[in-house]
Amino acid sequence: KNQVEQSPQSLIILEGKNCTLQCNYTVSPFSNLRWYKQDTGRGPVSLTIMTFSENTKSNGRYTATLDADTKQSSLHITASQLSDSASYICVVSAETGANNLFFGTGTRLTVIP
Amino acid sequence: DTGVSQDPRHKITKRGQNVTFRCDPISEHNRLYWYRQTLGQGPEFLTYFQNEAQLEKSRLLSDRFSAERPKGSFSTLEIQRTEQGDSAMYLCASSSYVMGELFFGEGSRLTVL
Repeated sequence: KNQVEQSPQSLIILEGKNCTLQCNYTVSPFSNLRWYKQDTGRGPVSLTIMTFSENTKSNGRYTATLDADTKQSSLHITASQLSDSASYICVVSAETGANNLFFGTGTRLTVIP
Repeated sequence: DTGVSQDPRHKITKRGQNVTFRCDPISEHNRLYWYRQTLGQGPEFLTYFQNEAQLEKSRLLSDRFSAERPKGSFSTLEIQRTEQGDSAMYLCASSSYVMGELFFGEGSRLTVL
């Protein structure tokens, strides 16, 4: 069964600190993995897209890693800011099927001053 | 603004009423998706269009739900005889090809009293 699991479910960190969010998946055949940021009451916004051959991809203070062998990904946020408070959703795409996107339930990050 | 736009952003209705949501995708995108998202959950797939053709529908899309995309441009999602369980955020997304980046709208939040 194609599934995406994220951990932790929620996280509270102090402003300026780093944090790492985890995503494990069982989607097959794998096409790509995406991380989205979703502010409360808004639509998700893409942070990174990683294909099978990419191990690391950065977008400013966000760095995503992918281990296709263990089917794990992480999103590392450096020097957190209050504006990083949001839900971070991991989405894994399968190679086949129109409905080929599998969503995690997200990690709710709260950055406090 | 050339992003995905959704209207209305918020809708409060009484149980049993019909509601309609509209989505205007990015103009050159031929793929359009509808998702439903409840609090603390990731988006759940509802239906998918490639141009004007509705190619897949989730079992979540009961006979009270109908979606259209006339002429392959904007799309509408109608819910008839709304129930309290329909209360959710309805997200629209579009992409230019099957594995392309997915751009989400801001969502339409439905509250059924």
